[in-house]
Amino acid sequence: AQSVTQPDIHITVSEGASLELRCNYSYGATPYLFWYVQSPGQGLQLLLKYFSGDTLVQGIKGFEAEFKRSQSSFNLRKPSVHWSDAAEYFCAVWSSASKIIFGSGTRLSIRP
Amino acid sequence: DTAVSQTPKYLVTQMGNDKSIKCEQNLGHDTMYWYKQDSKKFLKIMFSYNNKELIINETVPNRFSPKSPDKAHLNLHINSLELGDSAVYFCASSQDVAGGSTDTQYFGPGTRLTVL
Repeated sequence: AQSVTQPDIHITVSEGASLELRCNYSYGATPYLFWYVQSPGQGLQLLLKYFSGDTLVQGIKGFEAEFKRSQSSFNLRKPSVHWSDAAEYFCAVWSSASKIIFGSGTRLSIRP
Repeated sequence: DTAVSQTPKYLVTQMGNDKSIKCEQNLGHDTMYWYKQDSKKFLKIMFSYNNKELIINETVPNRFSPKSPDKAHLNLHINSLELGDSAVYFCASSQDVAGGSTDTQYFGPGTRLTVL
């Protein structure tokens, strides 16, 4: 069965530092992968998605993610975080049952 | 203009009551979804409708019944509310069934349901 694992429950980084959030997926074929962000009290917003082609995907708000088939990973990165990036981040994979499966989320805190 | 809207934003009710959450999207999308997010932030799909037809129905108690009067609306009715129903419920929509190149899902702001 398809699944998504986000091994880090909570990460704290200093403002201006680089960020990498980990995501591993389990899927037999080429996966459709997503990263969503949920700000406090808000719904989810799509940051970026990977369907095919270039394995380095650019998203909104300066985020990017790299699809690595050999590692079954789709890690999210940002070179320099801002205080407004504090939020919950969800990795997701589209499953063959016509639905998106979400990971358990990683909470990002920003240290001033 | 709000793309996906939900009402109410907060809902506090007693066990055993029946309640509804409404969802509307003005994006012209064909597919709408209901998700439940538990206290640990775990997000799981409950239902999906495409052009008013049910296409995804996860293992959800019969007390939960989605209703889609038209393509732009997907309401969630919950009978005989239980303590375990307390969660945040998100509505979402996408142009087509999730998976195609156009299938970004747009989420509403959520409805926080508290059952006392």
